[in-house]
Amino acid sequence: DTAVSQTPKYLVTQMGNDKSIKCEQNLGHDTMYWYKQDSKKFLKIMFSYNNKELIINETVPNRFSPKSPDKAHLNLHINSLELGDSAVYFCASSQADAGNTEAFFGQGTRLTVV
Amino acid sequence: GQQLNQSPQSMFIQEGEDVSMNCTSSSIFNTWLWYKQEPGEGPVLLIALYKAGELTSNGRLTAQFGITRKDSFLNISASIPSDVGIYFCAGHYGYAGGTSYGKLTFGQGTILTVHP
Repeated sequence: DTAVSQTPKYLVTQMGNDKSIKCEQNLGHDTMYWYKQDSKKFLKIMFSYNNKELIINETVPNRFSPKSPDKAHLNLHINSLELGDSAVYFCASSQADAGNTEAFFGQGTRLTVV
Repeated sequence: GQQLNQSPQSMFIQEGEDVSMNCTSSSIFNTWLWYKQEPGEGPVLLIALYKAGELTSNGRLTAQFGITRKDSFLNISASIPSDVGIYFCAGHYGYAGGTSYGKLTFGQGTILTVHP
């Protein structure tokens, strides 16, 4: 019964393709995030959604488009994939509205663009 | 933007030794969090600190929120092989309704290796 689950765990694709990563949380949290971890293990926030509303967009290229159909789901769609997009993408959630910034992370999606 | 400097970058220790790592920032945070990441997994929360000066323990782990709100440390006592992993500090400064609310800024991580 995974708290934050994302699929797929591994994604290998060619340059120029469009791909999506899905995320679901069953913690009842109001805020969800996408973080990117590069090859040096550095974690950086990309987006956050609070109750389906975009709150944070950290100057991510327009090719990345998050979508939150409801507050338990936050998907990430990437258009025209580039080699530099290869990384591990983590979904996370927290109950930010309650002043709780403790984020719970999914297992990650390792994206490899060839 | 806010940046966290985490040190050391890596540690190689013998089982049973104590470990200490820290994070410093040029700006203040309202919350400090410590996470551990194992290979192929996402970061797992170890300790959360919400008040300046707060000292909190979780088993063999102890973390403190610096008085200046610009630093935090994590200690692991009597290390064991399963302590191996990457430890991250993370800070939060956002406020309700603000554009950074919920955003965590991460340190570069400390890679811990424990030799049996």
